[in-house]
Amino acid sequence: QLVESGGGVVRPGRSLRLSCEASGFSFSTYAMHWLRQAPDKGLEWVAVISYDGQNTFSAESLKGRFTISRDNSKNTLFLQMNSLRTDDTAVYFCARGAQWLIWTPRDNYFDPWGQGTRVTVSS
Amino acid sequence: SSELTQDPAVSVALGQTVRITCQGDSLRRYSASWYQQKPGQAPLLVIYGKNNRPSGIPDRFSGSNSGNTSSLIITGAQAADEADYYCNSRDNSFNRDNTINHVIFGGGTKLTVL
Repeated sequence: QLVESGGGVVRPGRSLRLSCEASGFSFSTYAMHWLRQAPDKGLEWVAVISYDGQNTFSAESLKGRFTISRDNSKNTLFLQMNSLRTDDTAVYFCARGAQWLIWTPRDNYFDPWGQGTRVTVSS
Repeated sequence: SSELTQDPAVSVALGQTVRITCQGDSLRRYSASWYQQKPGQAPLLVIYGKNNRPSGIPDRFSGSNSGNTSSLIITGAQAADEADYYCNSRDNSFNRDNTINHVIFGGGTKLTVL
């Protein structure tokens, strides 16, 4: 199970930190992802972190504003979002990725997903 | 750059079979995964890999792949299957601005069960 928190309403240019608490599986052995969905839009991948936190990738469209991290001692995933813009308004989901690897050679999928936390960037 | 293309909307009569397709160059190298999303809910993985169903997904859901096209097939569609369906795959192609897409999603298909 994955439970996100930390969403809310924030002014443009400000920062926000999202959390995702995991339970029911061996969190420290899985890559973890953040994804988002703007209102009435499709799904967009945001970032991934390796099982040990040593490697990360982010959507290049974010231009380095978002940072993914994890604390395996607390079974928790984070997303630090800086310089927020109105087009960052979305529901943010965390999801489990592959075990031990960031990317598998062929089959890459997200399962399970958290219920999402809503972020609204507005002046 | 690479993208995944889905029909925006598809309808099916109750109990009939429907195929939802996803096309893209990345599918020649990487398998597609399929997600069902109902209003106000998180996406749910229904098919991944060659044709694998996670535990708890009914066997009326199946997948097929050919070239640059992946399909989600629902055999005997139920009212509960009415939802948005998204395909996704890994991608490592370069965009025109030299950025890389690591993961891409199709735009989604709204399935209506009549």
